[in-house]
Amino acid sequence: AQSVSQHNHHVILSEAASLELGCNYSYGGTVNLFWYVQYPGQHLQLLLKYFSGDPLVKGIKGFEAEFIKSKFSFNLRKPSVQWSDTAEYFCAVNVRNRDDKIIFGKGTRLHILP
Amino acid sequence: DGGITQSPKYLFRKEGQNVTLSCEQNLNHDAMYWYRQDPGQGLRLIYYSQIVNDFQKGDIAEGYSVSREKKESFPLTVTSAQKNPTAFYLCASHNRRGGGVHGYTFGSGTRLTVV
Repeated sequence: AQSVSQHNHHVILSEAASLELGCNYSYGGTVNLFWYVQYPGQHLQLLLKYFSGDPLVKGIKGFEAEFIKSKFSFNLRKPSVQWSDTAEYFCAVNVRNRDDKIIFGKGTRLHILP
Repeated sequence: DGGITQSPKYLFRKEGQNVTLSCEQNLNHDAMYWYRQDPGQGLRLIYYSQIVNDFQKGDIAEGYSVSREKKESFPLTVTSAQKNPTAFYLCASHNRRGGGVHGYTFGSGTRLTVV
């Protein structure tokens, strides 16, 4: 069965630190990959997505993610985090042209210290 | 503005009662989904529907029921058979055209508490 693993459940960083959140998925076919963010008290928003082309994708608010097919990974990065990045981050995978289900990881709660 | 509306935002239920959570979208999306979010568990799929009058069970469908009589609406009923219903419920919709590349649009959620 498809699964998505997020390596860190809870990450605490100081402002201006660099961020990398790990994500691995189990499916071997052609996939669409997503990172969603949920700020405190708000609904889920799409941060960035990959479906084809350049494996390094850029999203909103300075985030980027790199798809490494050989490693089944889609790690999220940001060079310098801000206090406003405090949120929960979800990696998600969709098998292309299958039943359109998106499978989510368990989330990483990011806390940025001011 | 187009979007997904979930209501109510907060819902309290007595044990043994059924409750229905509303989800309405005006995005003209074909597919709609219900997820349950629990701390440390991520989002787990309850039910989904790709077209009107059709729906499929997700990973944790037991104790829940849905209907899809209209494209815009996908209500979720939490029945008394659901052993642990207290959770945050999220509805999402998706435009199936385009091979799934657009991701989902989410509602703002309903927090259900059993008292």
